[in-house]
Amino acid sequence: QQQVKQSPQSLIVQKGGISIINCAYENTAFDYFPWYQQFPGKGPALLIAIRPDVSEKKEGRFTISFNKSAKQFSLHIMDSQPGDSATYFCAASSRGTASKLTFGTGTRLQVTL
Amino acid sequence: ETGVTQTPRHLVMGMTNKKSLKCEQHLGHNAMYWYKQSAKKPLELMFVYSLEERVENNSVPSRFSPECPNSSHLFLHLHTLQPEDSALYLCASGGGLENNEKLFFGSGTQLSVL
Repeated sequence: QQQVKQSPQSLIVQKGGISIINCAYENTAFDYFPWYQQFPGKGPALLIAIRPDVSEKKEGRFTISFNKSAKQFSLHIMDSQPGDSATYFCAASSRGTASKLTFGTGTRLQVTL
Repeated sequence: ETGVTQTPRHLVMGMTNKKSLKCEQHLGHNAMYWYKQSAKKPLELMFVYSLEERVENNSVPSRFSPECPNSSHLFLHLHTLQPEDSALYLCASGGGLENNEKLFFGSGTQLSVL
């Protein structure tokens, strides 16, 4: 049973456009929702994270929107750049679970010129 | 660099071989992890070590054997693997079991089992 569902599987966005990746979760005990960014040949790296006490968190061009009642959260990349081309993973975890993150299946983003 | 180093970067092995993957972190973290990454699948947590003690083993076949001799080093010993074990194996470290904040991943070992 996949606990975090991520969509789309792949995404092509023009430079300067907005990239949007969505995730949905089932476990209401989840209280930490990070996004990881992975470039080819590298391991995932934490990009931005949110806790359910806020509905939005912004860091530069990256924003997480969180909807607790719908059990959904999304990553928005404003003014997308070719350097943003990577695979993005959403994840979720709950306290006291030994930092055991449940990951989504990943979204491969390509930003074209 | 993330501070987590994995070797080798690539490994090709036959089904009867024995090999080991190595992970080293110099971040002072107490917890270390092995993840398996396969195409179009979520990252799968395999093992978790906290303070050199194994605290998680997610139903991983016994042909994978982890070892954590100290808080800076983690190994994954491989024996009689199957072709379906071909994947990217990622090591990660974190601040500790109660700290579900940032995980630092290495670049992984791309394993091919022939």
